[in-house]
Amino acid sequence: NAGVTQTPKFQVLKTGQSMTLQCAQDMNHEYMSWYRQDPGMGLRLIHYSVGAGITDQGEVPNGYNVSRSTTEDFPLRLLSAAPSQTSVYFCASSRKGRKIGYGYTFGSGTRLTVV
Amino acid sequence: RKEVEQDPGPFNVPEGATVAFNCTYSNSASQSFFWYRQDCRKEPKLLMSVYSSGNEDGRFTAQLNRASQYISLLIRDSKLSDSATYLCVVNFSNDYKLSFGAGTTVTVRA
Repeated sequence: NAGVTQTPKFQVLKTGQSMTLQCAQDMNHEYMSWYRQDPGMGLRLIHYSVGAGITDQGEVPNGYNVSRSTTEDFPLRLLSAAPSQTSVYFCASSRKGRKIGYGYTFGSGTRLTVV
Repeated sequence: RKEVEQDPGPFNVPEGATVAFNCTYSNSASQSFFWYRQDCRKEPKLLMSVYSSGNEDGRFTAQLNRASQYISLLIRDSKLSDSATYLCVVNFSNDYKLSFGAGTTVTVRA
């Protein structure tokens, strides 16, 4: 009963490095999304996907790429890390057709520091 | 102006007390409303949905006021375990995207 699994839990990057945050869910959820959480700002949507092969931008997509080749996986790629990307990143998933937001399951988060 | 605004608190209350706080939203066409709970350094978890007629879940009562564009959460008989940050969450467009408030922190003391 894993739910949504995010890896790594912690990461320190140097400015300019690239990396991929992994997110996998085993609930056969069609909808997946990435949020970042910064102090005093709430969670902000980066990218989302309504199914395999379909992705779209959220509120703060710049500097991030996503892909959705399978229903289970939704990795988030940082192209060239910047200190402004220091944040806590959450992946969330939901089954389509249910009341919106009711079935949102979050991963435990990735704490990223860019120096 | 933020789409969803909350009083950050903190609300410091003794065990057994009642605490209530509001959240305002900017889009009058908002479709769905929720309260999520987030413990320190943990992921958000759904606490309850908010219905137009108001609804209760044990010691928690949620209200929606569409005319004034706010939702509220009331916690009765507070427990130490209620200490957390409560996130107001709104769906504006009936798709799968949710907008989150920055959260209201509640600390219940013995």
